[in-house]
Formats: sequence, C-alpha cells, structure tokens
Amino acid sequence: QSALTQPASVSGSPGQSITISCTGTSSDVGGYNYVSWYQQHPGKAPKVMIYDVSNRPSGVSNRFSGSKSGNTASLTISGLQAEDEADYYCSSYTTSTTWVFGGGTKLTVL
Amino acid sequence: QVQLVESGGGVVQPGRSLRLSCAATGFTFRSKGMHWVRQAPGKGLEWVAVIWYDGSKEYYADSVKGRFTISRDNSKDTLSLQMNSLRAEDTAVYYCARLSGWSNLDYWGQGTLVTVSS
Repeated sequence: QSALTQPASVSGSPGQSITISCTGTSSDVGGYNYVSWYQQHPGKAPKVMIYDVSNRPSGVSNRFSGSKSGNTASLTISGLQAEDEADYYCSSYTTSTTWVFGGGTKLTVL
Repeated sequence: QVQLVESGGGVVQPGRSLRLSCAATGFTFRSKGMHWVRQAPGKGLEWVAVIWYDGSKEYYADSVKGRFTISRDNSKDTLSLQMNSLRAEDTAVYYCARLSGWSNLDYWGQGTLVTVSS
C-alpha cells in the first residue's frame, strides 16, 4: 500500500493553467478508472473535485479537469484563481480492495 | 442535507483503546459504503478503512490491520471505528466519508482529533 506519487508543490499566476500529476502502478491508477482528486484548504475537510478519473461533481467549476494515461493521472486547473490555492490529493482504488492517497501537492497562486 | 459528524476523539495513552463514532443524517445511510481517512498533523491524507453499505465486507490499511475495526449500525445511521493498541503514529484527525460509486468520497465529516501520548 505505497502512497501515490505527487509533486510536493506547484505554482502558477492568476489566469494560468497548472497540472498536477499522480503516479501509481498497474495495481491502482493504471488498473482502474477509479481515480479521484480532493482539494483541502487549511483546517478544512477535503472536498472532491474529480472522481472516476474525469468526472466533475455538480457545483465544481469546469476549470477543473482530470485525465489518465497509463499509471499516471493528472488534474488540470485552468484560469487559476486565488481561491484555488490549497492542498490537492489524488486517490485510487486498488486491486487489494483498498484505497490509497497521494502524498499531496501544495498549490500556490502567485 | 447530508451531514457526517464525528465524535469520540481525545488524548489516550499508547497501548490503550478508543472508539470513534460518525453520525450520518440527510441520506439513506444503509445504501452507502463508508470510509475512515486520517491526517496526521501537518501531513497528508491516509486511507484507513472501508465498510460495505450492508456491513458485509471490511478492508483495512496495512498500518491498522489487526488493531482497528470498522463497523456500522444501519438502524442508528452510525459508523464506528474501534481503535486498539494505539501508537503515537496513530495521532491524527480522523474523518469519516461517504463513498458514492468506487472513487467518489463525496461527503466528509469535520474530523475528530486523536492524540496518542503518555
């Protein structure tokens, strides 16, 4: 049950686009289309932004999008806004009928 | 509206036990799988355990297997986490979360802090 690999930090200016990667294995990210992404502001509970690789829950801005290629999933945020500054976590279902999170990525909006 | 409210956190000595609860309202509890996820201070999210909607199956992270037990009472809309043989590394905020489908943890509680310290 090794954590998925995410960059520790990413940054971008308002209006720009950024992409956060999430690398796993064929036993998790690569084996299922069950990858989700969570946004967490300091002191708050996580909030789902993307599920099943690329589905966006109602109420989540269409500036957020998800994709997957092989063992790596990606979250793209376009038109960066100050309110997007937060920690982002990916998660995947695994062959062991368990779930695993990534280590998290701190997004800084410059 | 959907609400999940955790309780039961606190300070406990290493080796002792603690039981967390999560009260669910605003949805048909017995129709949804439920998870526990934790977050150590200043650290990332760590998946802990899942229980099927009917309580028929449970799965655990290796880090808690054999020490923690997830359970649910669908007659009381309550999820529980029995934590035994607690260690310092179990110190964290514990969240309960509702699972929709296979990857969508769509509702989370506010979390309850467990501190394992002598």
